[in-house]
Amino acid sequence: AQKVTQAQTEISVVEKEDVTLDCVYETRDTTYYLFWYKQPPSGELVFLIRRNSFDEQNEISGRYSWNFQKSTSSFNFTITASQVVDSAVYFCALSEARGSEKLVFGKGMKLTVNP
Amino acid sequence: EAGVAQSPRYKIIEKRQSVAFWCNPISGHATLYWYQQILGQGPKLLIQFQNNGVVDDSQLPKDRFSAERLKGVDSTLKIQPAKLEDSAVYLCASSSSGTLGNEQFFGPGTRLTVL
Repeated sequence: AQKVTQAQTEISVVEKEDVTLDCVYETRDTTYYLFWYKQPPSGELVFLIRRNSFDEQNEISGRYSWNFQKSTSSFNFTITASQVVDSAVYFCALSEARGSEKLVFGKGMKLTVNP
Repeated sequence: EAGVAQSPRYKIIEKRQSVAFWCNPISGHATLYWYQQILGQGPKLLIQFQNNGVVDDSQLPKDRFSAERLKGVDSTLKIQPAKLEDSAVYLCASSSSGTLGNEQFFGPGTRLTVL
């Protein structure tokens, strides 16, 4: 069965601090995709990144970086030099090849960046 | 390009009443999803359509929930009769095809409160 665990429920940091959001997943499939979505207070889910199970390269996009490690079934997300606009709920999600393309989400992690 | 549209944005009803939500996906997107997001949790898939056919409705409580996607474009999700535990945000998403790993674009959601 597929499962996504985000152990942290809430983090509060001060602006310019670095913060890492953890994501651990479970799947029996060898082909799958992992995602991160951001949900600001407005409620709309915003896509951040997608990574397939065959690509373990880390990725950096501006202040955002992602570390994918199949050995530990983790797909962690780091925000460098956080800003107030980063305040949101962040979700990690998994999509398996064997099922439909549905996303299985973790419970989310609320990040508050204080000025 | 217009995003996924949903209406209404907010709805308050009493238990045992009926309610319907509407979704208009991004033009040309063949796949449409309805997710339920209970407060403090990640979204959970209720039903997935590919054009006007159902791909996955395994988590839809069919005794009270129904959904349709006539002509493969707009979709409606209905709850009849509503229960207190149906209070949640109902998110509609669409993607260009049912291919694994395709980005899903989310609408702003409909927040339902059942009293």
